[in-house]
Amino acid sequence: GAGVSQSPSNKVTEKGKDVELRCDPISGHTALYWYRQRLGQGLEFLIYFQGNSAPDKSGLPSDRFSAERTGESVSTLTIQRTQQEDSAVYLCASNLDRNTEAFFGQGTRLTVV
Amino acid sequence: AQSVTQLGSHVSVSEGALVLLRCNYSSSVPPYLFWYVQYPNQGLQLLLKYTTGATLVKGINGFEAEFKKSETSFHLTKPSAHMSDAAEYFCAVIRSGGYQKVTFGTGTKLQVIP
Repeated sequence: GAGVSQSPSNKVTEKGKDVELRCDPISGHTALYWYRQRLGQGLEFLIYFQGNSAPDKSGLPSDRFSAERTGESVSTLTIQRTQQEDSAVYLCASNLDRNTEAFFGQGTRLTVV
Repeated sequence: AQSVTQLGSHVSVSEGALVLLRCNYSSSVPPYLFWYVQYPNQGLQLLLKYTTGATLVKGINGFEAEFKKSETSFHLTKPSAHMSDAAEYFCAVIRSGGYQKVTFGTGTKLQVIP
């Protein structure tokens, strides 16, 4: 597609449930990033993929968070046993391997009730 | 490793006044630098970027930024603020060459007072 696509755009889930957030990067972009943005706060880095590998997953806040990427394309961020503090907008971005700007999706707004 | 520091999480200016949002970076090799803008309830979009060449770069909506290597800065400016400039602004850096992760600052919220 023309841009980074994220789904769902909104997700409401009950505390303790697992959720999966999906990101479709721009075709051909080898780098993919996940960020979390809590209400009124800045970007919190979660994980970076180069191809299908994740050289930097230092931002994942706990072992309840995991992410994978397949086919150098789609990425899924999984949050297990969701907690209320997981409520945030989860942003995905991608860029080419030659240091061009990152392009962002519109985000998934996750609400844990 | 590279890092970005944005001074001031909130900045308020009067409509028509100069906008100055500060960004300092650290990088062991020449960096590529970016400013992004996030309007309320929207995703991030690129405002401008510096890669090589002219150190003063112009972006959309009348914004510009100057890369100053001696000061390791890439401050964002606009001569005259408009109400529509109210948004959050993020500075980002990536090291030139090879496969590198882009690093974002924590953001500066710009409020424009009528």
